Amino acid sequence: QLQLQESGPGLVKPSETLSLTCTVSGDSISSTTYYWGWIRQPPGKGLEWIGSIYYSGSTYYNPSLKSRVTISVDTSKNQFSLKLSSVNAADTAVYYCARHPNWADAFDIWGQGTMVTVSS
Amino acid sequence: DIQMTQSPSSLSASVGDRVTITCRASQSVTRYLNWYQQKPGKAPKLLIYAASSLQTGVPSRFSGSGSETDFTLTISSLQPEDFAIYFCQHSYSTPRTFGQGTKVDIK
Repeated sequence: QLQLQESGPGLVKPSETLSLTCTVSGDSISSTTYYWGWIRQPPGKGLEWIGSIYYSGSTYYNPSLKSRVTISVDTSKNQFSLKLSSVNAADTAVYYCARHPNWADAFDIWGQGTMVTVSS
Repeated sequence: DIQMTQSPSSLSASVGDRVTITCRASQSVTRYLNWYQQKPGKAPKLLIYAASSLQTGVPSRFSGSGSETDFTLTISSLQPEDFAIYFCQHSYSTPRTFGQGTKVDIK
């Protein structure tokens, strides 16, 4: 059964870089059928798509975050990662990783989410 | 960006009620529209993709309809486990955007 698990620091200082990893188990991240994405949700608010990556390394990002975001993939570890630079309090959120099939383009499998707080 | 607007923002309903949630896109997304359910402290769960396709394992009391700019999620007979927040999301273009959510609670 496919599972996604986010990991990384729960507290990041303002102006620093937020780094998270999503480990995929139960399937290969190198499948040609799926993209892998990051979505975040500030406390008590709605969902914001951050960006997505294909196993080949092809990426597409939310233009509102593009200047600060890098998503990468490590097929040998079956992982993909998020880096968000120059963070501020507005980046405080639960960060989810998720899978989306290229034939449906909906986020069908999600990680449990990890809370990241930006604070000094 | 395509803006997704849901209505109502919240509703109160009883077990057994028929519930309808609307999602309107600021421009056509054809049928690239998905619906999710989120319970407190949990990740969203995909219910409907491509406007009307039921995700595997989702009860048949959930259905979706619509195209272009206007979409509907219907719960035919509300069950206790359906009290949650529901989000729509388009996948027509970048960036993918979500509606603000509709909270369904107990009357």
